[in-house]
Amino acid sequence: GQNIDQPTEMTATEGAIVQINCTYQTSGFNGLFWYQQHAGEAPTFLSYNVLDGLEEKGRFSSFLSRSKGYSYLLLKELQMKDSASYLCAVMDSNYQLIWGAGTKLIIKP
Amino acid sequence: GAVVSQHPSRVICKSGTSVKIECRSLDFQATTMFWYRQFPKQSLMLMATSNEGSKATYEQGVEKDKFLINHASLTLSTLTVTSAHPEDSSFYICSATWTGITEAFFGQGTRLTVV
Repeated sequence: GQNIDQPTEMTATEGAIVQINCTYQTSGFNGLFWYQQHAGEAPTFLSYNVLDGLEEKGRFSSFLSRSKGYSYLLLKELQMKDSASYLCAVMDSNYQLIWGAGTKLIIKP
Repeated sequence: GAVVSQHPSRVICKSGTSVKIECRSLDFQATTMFWYRQFPKQSLMLMATSNEGSKATYEQGVEKDKFLINHASLTLSTLTVTSAHPEDSSFYICSATWTGITEAFFGQGTRLTVV
């Protein structure tokens, strides 16, 4: 079956760096997405990886290894506003989105 | 986790016809549902936010008369694409949440093809 795994919850300190991992097993692969979602709000797009390697966008970076079925989202210089859920989603061969359950990130002062 | 069921998963329709997509929260009461569309290899684009019992809030550039959203109960929201055209062909996905939680739970998506 198709499966996306990511940690349920992580805690980090303001100003630090945190890495959120995502592993996947899907029927085909047409890209991996990371989304951020604050409480009561719609998810917002963070990154899209379809080729292996690191994509950097400001304080956020996303890495993909297709051979390992693995991705991570790296958040640098953490701010309190980064407290949110981070969703990993993979688009399979049918262009269906397979979603992870999300990682709740708690930032402490 | 909470389950959101979206139906149909795929639909093909003729130009000029209307298509209804349903989004149901199976084991929780969804106070808010979101509707997205997504073109291949692109990000989800939020179309509208719907709160139970009130009119949906549409994002800029989304025609509310073309994309009719109804959220009449706490477990069901529908999106009707009226007078569909080929450019409406896309992947539509709903998500549902309830007041006070961080997570939103997503449906499986609906691939609409207008011919």
